[in-house]
Amino acid sequence: NAGVTQTPKFQVLKTGQSMTLQCAQDMNHEYMSWYRQDPGMGLRLIHYSVGAGITDQGEVPNGYNVSRSTTEDFPLRLLSAAPSQTSVYFCATKRSVSNIQYFGAGTRLSVL
Amino acid sequence: TQLLEQSPQFLSIQEGENLTVYCNSSSVFSSLQWYRQEPGEGPVLLVTVVTGGEVKKLKRLTFQFGDARKDSSLHITAAQPGDTGLYLCAPRSGSARQLTFGSGTQLTVLP
Repeated sequence: NAGVTQTPKFQVLKTGQSMTLQCAQDMNHEYMSWYRQDPGMGLRLIHYSVGAGITDQGEVPNGYNVSRSTTEDFPLRLLSAAPSQTSVYFCATKRSVSNIQYFGAGTRLSVL
Repeated sequence: TQLLEQSPQFLSIQEGENLTVYCNSSSVFSSLQWYRQEPGEGPVLLVTVVTGGEVKKLKRLTFQFGDARKDSSLHITAAQPGDTGLYLCAPRSGSARQLTFGSGTQLTVLP
């Protein structure tokens, strides 16, 4: 059982480049979310989805887009990367009736 | 805006010692979760506390939710190197769907 799979594990971008961080889950969880983790700031919610076709903004959504066309996948898009987006990004999932979140291993992104 | 503070920010101790880390806020929480995050991995849920004054034990880890549900503590007895990691608290306020995460306590247990 793979759980929550994030790809790539590492990525280096130049300012202005675009990329998509992938998140896939095989647990049939309704709720998926994206966080970024920066030193001294904990995990901050970027976007979340309560089910296929439904997304909403979190605490720090600017510069990021998401879509949820299937239950399994929740990609995070950076349309024009900025150095301020250098961070570690985590995808998390949970059942809508549960408080237990399952996190992926993260994507470490550097924007030069 | 909810102010959430975890202390200490860093803690380095010898194997076998006891320690306590704290999660404090000025807000009242409906529940609170503790996570441990190991290097290169995502956070993993340790426990959820819901009732004021509640105490939960997970082997050598003891979690307590404050009577007023504004704070929580995590006590580790006889720490082991395998306890090394970033400990995050994540409270939930009222009917909020999302968790708020503290900045964590980075614990290092030296053999």
